[in-house]
Amino acid sequence: NAGVTQTPKFQVLKTGQSMTLQCAQDMNHNSMYWYRQDPGMGLRLIYYSASEGTTDKGEVPNGYNVSRLNKREFSLRLESAAPSQTSVYFCASSEWASGGPLEQFFGPGTRLTVL
Amino acid sequence: SQKIEQNSEALNIQEGKTATLTCNYTNYSPAYLQWYRQDPGRGPVFLLLIRENEKEKRKERLKVTFDTTLKQSLFHITASQPADSATYLCVGTGNQFYFGTGTSLTVIP
Repeated sequence: NAGVTQTPKFQVLKTGQSMTLQCAQDMNHNSMYWYRQDPGMGLRLIYYSASEGTTDKGEVPNGYNVSRLNKREFSLRLESAAPSQTSVYFCASSEWASGGPLEQFFGPGTRLTVL
Repeated sequence: SQKIEQNSEALNIQEGKTATLTCNYTNYSPAYLQWYRQDPGRGPVFLLLIRENEKEKRKERLKVTFDTTLKQSLFHITASQPADSATYLCVGTGNQFYFGTGTSLTVIP
């Protein structure tokens, strides 16, 4: 099993360009997440999908859109990239219980630089 | 605002000693607290989950506690080893979920 995979691993964009980050999981999890990680800020939730067909905003959704393509895949789109979106992006998946997400499995991350 | 707080200062301990990391939560009542390990350049890896109705959970050399009165979780690594050196993240989950900024642990041989 590959677990959670993300593409691309690295990306450099110019301000205003758009791009989509891809994420796939092979653990048959219902829930998937997108986080960004910045120095000194910790992991912050951008969007999540508790189950196929649903998506919800997290702590920092502005400037991003998501698509839960099917149970396996959850993509993150930057429509018009800004330097403030320079970050490391992590995708994760898990099962969901009454108390929220259970053990989350993370991908290797995408390092994005916006010039 | 709702928040998960971890000591941002790095923790250095001698090999063989017990490392204790602290996670406090404010304006928030998480149903679960989870602990993850993160190595440089990698995604976090799950270690332990404790529910609000559990006082303590153990897994091998790891122990986590959940004190709803103090609004705090403690994470212990006993008989620490240099391989335990990493950043440890606390996350509270419930209706929303928040990660702390992590505590960097260095175990000195």
